[in-house]
Amino acid sequence: DAKTTQPPSMDCAEGRAANLPCNHSTISGNEYVYWYRQIHSQGPQYIIHGLKNNETNEMASLIITEDRKSSTLILPHATLRDTAVYYCIALATNNAGNMLTFGGGTRLMVKP
Amino acid sequence: DTAVSQTPKYLVTQMGNDKSIKCEQNLGHDTMYWYKQDSKKFLKIMFSYNNKELIINETVPNRFSPKSPDKAHLNLHINSLELGDSAVYFCASRPTPGSTEAFFGQGTRLTVV
Repeated sequence: DAKTTQPPSMDCAEGRAANLPCNHSTISGNEYVYWYRQIHSQGPQYIIHGLKNNETNEMASLIITEDRKSSTLILPHATLRDTAVYYCIALATNNAGNMLTFGGGTRLMVKP
Repeated sequence: DTAVSQTPKYLVTQMGNDKSIKCEQNLGHDTMYWYKQDSKKFLKIMFSYNNKELIINETVPNRFSPKSPDKAHLNLHINSLELGDSAVYFCASRPTPGSTEAFFGQGTRLTVV
């Protein structure tokens, strides 16, 4: 699976959009971009995933560049409860042996 | 109802002891995992099971022995506990190995003294 690179930490003001970048310049054609987050003392939680097109769900939006070498997770109106570590993972889903491999992630601090 | 549940939530034990952590998922998923999160907060895959069969063992010491009595359960037994085994252990499940979303339990904080 392709390696991903994320900034170690970011701050965001409550109510503003949080834009979390991820670099995955070696991503291959069959690898999806997944985002998970881990709130303190809890298990990781799935947020969203995408292959080529931008995606949106009730939690977030995912913007993937046309060359697929980077992506941005957008939390449109961050709340204090969005403070967490956010993980960007590149993963192919056509392999029975594949599994989520977590890197260091981005620690997002939402401030009042 | 909790989708992926682990017991116990906290476990404090002495070096050399043998302990087990239980995991159950009520989602009907085929695939289950164990992850370890150490003090530096890195989450590392330990084992992957599909339909009670081991798929992946990520060079975990053989003191760690997962057991899957049925598809809904994947228990982790640890022999001769060492200080370095102290960590938070997470169980997770997916509908199939290639499914998109994984569901994680709340974790078991193991402290070896």
